[in-house]
Amino acid sequence: GQNIDQPTEMTATEGAIVQINCTYQTSGFNGLFWYQQHAGEAPTFLSYNVLDGLEEKGRFSSFLSRSKGYSYLLLKELQMKDSASYLCAVQDSNYQLIWGAGTKLIIKP
Amino acid sequence: GAVVSQHPSRVICKSGTSVKIECRSLDFQATTMFWYRQFPKQSLMLMATSNEGSKATYEQGVEKDKFLINHASLTLSTLTVTSAHPEDSSFYICSARKLEGAYEQYFGPGTRLTVT
Repeated sequence: GQNIDQPTEMTATEGAIVQINCTYQTSGFNGLFWYQQHAGEAPTFLSYNVLDGLEEKGRFSSFLSRSKGYSYLLLKELQMKDSASYLCAVQDSNYQLIWGAGTKLIIKP
Repeated sequence: GAVVSQHPSRVICKSGTSVKIECRSLDFQATTMFWYRQFPKQSLMLMATSNEGSKATYEQGVEKDKFLINHASLTLSTLTVTSAHPEDSSFYICSARKLEGAYEQYFGPGTRLTVT
């Protein structure tokens, strides 16, 4: 079967760095996505990785290792507005997104 | 950009009635649109995938006669919840993809459905 695992909840301090991990087992692989979702809102796109390595975009970076079926989202200089759920999703061989359950990130002052 | 709109954003209806939700891609043509449902504190659940001009492909466990999907044009897909019941109350989100194989799905803002 297809499976995406990520922690249910994480807590971090404003100004700090946090890493959210995601492991996956899917039928084929056509890229891994990270989305941010604030409560009551639709997801917004953060990053896309299809090759191994680190993609940096401002305060957010995403890493992929296809051989390990592993990715992480790194958030630096945390701000209170970063409190949200972070969803990991893998695009399978049919270009369908398989979603993780999401990681709720709580930022404390 | 790639903007997707949904209408209505919130709807309250009585049990037994039908509700139609529209999903539009405003500045691009969407060959494929997806409909998701999300219950509180849970992740997105794909309900169905629709391609313009063809019948939607429903996920296992989703009743196609209850959730009617029409993808009549390259910019519009509709989801009709027929004979709604309180357990259908949820957050319904659509997304659109520009081209076959293109990697990103663009999400609409979602529709909060409450069935009383």
